[in-house]
Amino acid sequence: KQEVTQIPAALSVPEGENLVLNCSFTDSAIYNLQWFRQDPGKGLTSLLLIQSSQREQTSGRLNASLDKSSGRSTLYIAASQPGDSATYLCAVRASSASKIIFGSGTRLSIRP
Amino acid sequence: GAVVSQHPSWVICKSGTSVKIECRSLDFQATTMFWYRQFPKQSLMLMATSNEGSKATYEQGVEKDKFLINHASLTLSTLTVTSAHPEDSSFYICSAQGTSGGIGTQYFGPGTRLTVL
Repeated sequence: KQEVTQIPAALSVPEGENLVLNCSFTDSAIYNLQWFRQDPGKGLTSLLLIQSSQREQTSGRLNASLDKSSGRSTLYIAASQPGDSATYLCAVRASSASKIIFGSGTRLSIRP
Repeated sequence: GAVVSQHPSWVICKSGTSVKIECRSLDFQATTMFWYRQFPKQSLMLMATSNEGSKATYEQGVEKDKFLINHASLTLSTLTVTSAHPEDSSFYICSAQGTSGGIGTQYFGPGTRLTVL
């Protein structure tokens, strides 16, 4: 049974810092891994999706890496801003037809 | 493109009443829709998967007679919480998968906050 874990559960850093969020999964046989952002009381915004054959994806100040063999992914946020404050969720799928398994999320707070 | 809407965005009801939540794909056909539940400070948990025109598949521990799912068209799925109780208070999110994006791409709705008094 696939389990997805995110550490830390909460993180507070001053504005401008670079930071890394961690995600680990127990079954390395994944189809893809996705990072989402969720603002309080809101739905999900997809940030980056990494297919199983890829090692990383980049979008603006965000970079996500994937190491399937070790069951790990990281989300790197450069030059953090207060607007980056949100909960970040990591999620994996075993196939295109299987359900998405979500991690418990990291609540990020960027202090001005 | 690929927008999914939910209605209502929030609802408050009395214990024992039923509540219907709608999930619509606005600009694509959703052959499959998913319903998730999220309790405070917890992650999303899949409740059920529904394919257009067929019965929903429920995850273990989810009561199908309590959470009625209807996926009657390629753009609309509904979740009805029957005889709601305070423990059903949660954030319900749907996602839709179909003719938009890559194979298996799911698009998420904005969620519905249900509070049962």
